[in-house]
Amino acid sequence: QVQLQESGPGLVKPSQTLSLSCTVSGGSISSGGYYWSWIRHHPGKGLEWIGYIYYTGSTYYNPSLKSRVSISVDTSKNQFSLKLSSVTAADTAVYYCARNPPEWWFDPWGQGTLVTVSS
Amino acid sequence: QSVLTQPPSVSGAPGQRVTISCTGSNSNIGADYAVHWYQQLPGTPPKLLIYGNRNRPSGVPDRFSGSKSGTSASLAITGLQAEDEADYYCQSYDNSLTVRVFGGGTKLTVL
Repeated sequence: QVQLQESGPGLVKPSQTLSLSCTVSGGSISSGGYYWSWIRHHPGKGLEWIGYIYYTGSTYYNPSLKSRVSISVDTSKNQFSLKLSSVTAADTAVYYCARNPPEWWFDPWGQGTLVTVSS
Repeated sequence: QSVLTQPPSVSGAPGQRVTISCTGSNSNIGADYAVHWYQQLPGTPPKLLIYGNRNRPSGVPDRFSGSKSGTSASLAITGLQAEDEADYYCQSYDNSLTVRVFGGGTKLTVL
């Protein structure tokens, strides 16, 4: 059974870069067939899909965040990572990593990690 | 403002049936993109409840069912139980925004 776990700083200063990693266990990212996504949930608001990566390194980002987002994969560690630059308070959210098949539902999800942007 | 519109809250007594609507447009649900539903219990991540409009993953009780018509979709829960109290989200794809989109979420209260 595949499980995902996010890790990274819970506090980031404004204008800096948010960096998170997602470690996958119970399955290999390299086996293919699935995309690996980042999703965030702003307090009191809805869910926002950030982007995905395939094990080959192919990516697609939400156009609203594209200029600030980078997602990478490290197949040797069975991890994928998120970088979001020039953060502001509006980027404060719970960040989730999730697996999705080509049909595009998300399952499973990581436990989520709260990232607060504040000086 | 979410692309997919859900009622902020619904409620029902144990044993009753409730439905949660998810209203989109011709660039998402109406363009025949599949709708998926998630259940988020307090303090836990979202869990896939319905995929491909009406399919249940293994382990999801048949009390939960999904449907889609036109630019809307619905999640129905029958035989309501206290453990069903959670937030529910719909999700689809929007070809105008070219992103996966979510509803704003519906809080289900079991009276």
